[in-house]
Amino acid sequence: QKEVEQDPGPLSVPEGAIVSLNCTYSNSAFQYFMWYRQYSRKGPELLMYTYSSGNKEDGRFTAQVDKSSKYISLFIRDSQPSDSATYLCAMRFYNQGGKLIFGQGTELSVKP
Amino acid sequence: EAQVTQNPRYLITVTGKKLTVTCSQNMNHEYMSWYRQDPGLGLRQIYYSMNVEVTDKGDVPEGYKVSRKEKRNFPLILESPSPNQTSLYFCASRVRQGFPYEQYFGPGTRLTVT
Repeated sequence: QKEVEQDPGPLSVPEGAIVSLNCTYSNSAFQYFMWYRQYSRKGPELLMYTYSSGNKEDGRFTAQVDKSSKYISLFIRDSQPSDSATYLCAMRFYNQGGKLIFGQGTELSVKP
Repeated sequence: EAQVTQNPRYLITVTGKKLTVTCSQNMNHEYMSWYRQDPGLGLRQIYYSMNVEVTDKGDVPEGYKVSRKEKRNFPLILESPSPNQTSLYFCASRVRQGFPYEQYFGPGTRLTVT
């Protein structure tokens, strides 16, 4: 069993839709949770991060963490064609600042 | 411009021919690492370095070597490449202290070993 599981998609939605991306994890020791966005032919870039259960909002993006269920989500409101990318969840332990465990990534396409 | 650069961006080589992928960052970051990205497997860490002359294995180090002689450079060495090392490789760097420990990724190197 992978430590972090993410539905690879691909996911195709119309412009303006609400998108929900999800990851589950098996190790309850993970303390920090991140979402990276990766455009085609580019390296990943940090989109959102959090370390506590609950919701964190940044513009059209909301990151949600449920530590009791070992489940994290990224919601994108009013999705735009420019949101078309691969989204990777990542997480790490408290005392391992350098070691990120990534999900497989979900490929999202937002159609105009 | 703050960035991580990798060279080459694309490389096709044959089994057993030694190669080096260079990585350089201009942000004075202490921490650097190498990942490989494969379909269905996501990003997996190969090696990382906490500072000059300090390196350690990640999750998939077999068949790779690294060195960290200068703070800005962290080359990835494949002494005898094999077809199962065909992959997309990313170098990343970050500051040593300071949440969220954001890692800055390079643009990637697509390697094909025939």
